[in-house]
Amino acid sequence: DGGITQSPKYLFRKEGQNVTLSCEQNLNHDAMYWYRQDPGQGLRLIYYSQIVNDFQKGDIAEGYSVSREKKESFPLTVTSAQKNPTAFYLCASSPEFDREAFFGQGTRLTVV
Amino acid sequence: RKEVEQDPGPFNVPEGATVAFNCTYSNSASQSFFWYRQDCRKEPKLLMSVYSSGNEDGRFTAQLNRASQYISLLIRDSKLSDSATYLCVVRVTGGGNKLTFGTGTQLKVEL
Repeated sequence: DGGITQSPKYLFRKEGQNVTLSCEQNLNHDAMYWYRQDPGQGLRLIYYSQIVNDFQKGDIAEGYSVSREKKESFPLTVTSAQKNPTAFYLCASSPEFDREAFFGQGTRLTVV
Repeated sequence: RKEVEQDPGPFNVPEGATVAFNCTYSNSASQSFFWYRQDCRKEPKLLMSVYSSGNEDGRFTAQLNRASQYISLLIRDSKLSDSATYLCVVRVTGGGNKLTFGTGTQLKVEL
């Protein structure tokens, strides 16, 4: 089945550790995005990529890094520089940059 | 002012009622508009795109008013299964083409 797969679904991180969240899509979409959602709040854009080997910072990129080496994959690394990383992380993709986006099931990251 | 603003609700309505949500956006260069639905602790899912002439999908009707910069969603004959948070989403052409999400309006449909 075509879709967007995020893994893991739940992730626990110790303070000071870097963690990488996986996002894979087999929809042949060009654009991919990472959003963060905090309880009772809307989605905030972390990074986005319109094409392979290119990505742009969103509104809250500090403390995060991404790569886009393959069209299908857009992993997000949450670094120790991110001061408040506990959140629900959502990856999305869209067929063209002016089309609607489709989401993966999300990763819940908790710092312990 | 937020780029996309929505009344957070909750809107508590009886089953069978008609309910309407509004959303305002601040950037006049916004070109694409969408409504998403998000269930508790789940990912957002596309409900419908919003076209300039307005569009309908079953019990759902979306309208766009570019002059006043607002978008609306009307739900007729509400079902218990419509209970969710409805997110207004705007895409601005140029400047990154990013999607900007409202914080959502919570709907609770009751017996």
